Amino acid sequence: ETGVTQTPRHLVMGMTNKKSLKCEQHLGHNAMYWYKQSAKKPLELMFVYNFKEQTENNSVPSRFSPECPNSSHLFLHLHTLQPEDSALYLCASSQDLQGQETQYFGPGTRLLVL
Amino acid sequence: GEDVEQSLFLSVREGDSSVINCTYTDSSSTYLYWYKQEPGAGLQLLTYIFSNMDMKQDQRLTVLLNKKDKHLSLRIADTQTGDSAIYFCAERLGDYKLSFGAGTTVTVRA
Repeated sequence: ETGVTQTPRHLVMGMTNKKSLKCEQHLGHNAMYWYKQSAKKPLELMFVYNFKEQTENNSVPSRFSPECPNSSHLFLHLHTLQPEDSALYLCASSQDLQGQETQYFGPGTRLLVL
Repeated sequence: GEDVEQSLFLSVREGDSSVINCTYTDSSSTYLYWYKQEPGAGLQLLTYIFSNMDMKQDQRLTVLLNKKDKHLSLRIADTQTGDSAIYFCAERLGDYKLSFGAGTTVTVRA
């Protein structure tokens, strides 16, 4: 257990569906991240929040919409996704964005878009 | 091309040492990391090394850093079946961005 939880662990959705991924960290961290992990590709940073403010949007399509209501929770709202969006979506947190702060990862949500 | 490169697969006999290699491109990287991902799980930080160090040892794990060649390696001594996983090398760019390799799948055979 890393102190970062994600729900659901698995999700199957059609291209017209709307769903949300949830991440919660119990570490008292201030920074949270969304990554996309596709098979045999490096992790892709999608979004970064620090003290609830978005500090990074790595050219992510608008069909992915993040929300950070507080420092402990991070959501990724999904709508009209494409099959190529099928991947493992990982949430991570760190104390803040500076220095040597380590990122702690959740177990991920395995998403399949049909 | 990728900023961080790793070989995709490594097969090792139980009890032997495993060596996973990684090359990176940004000479200004401050920290370099090794993460482990077991099936169905997220990434678990194994160890990290600061860029002004050459070596770091932590129990069965030894990290070697060659800054001149931008080469990082992770040696796992006495490899066990529980070490079977995907290992990711990552370099820290700037304040918080991590650039990951594609991962090396380590298979431990009896």
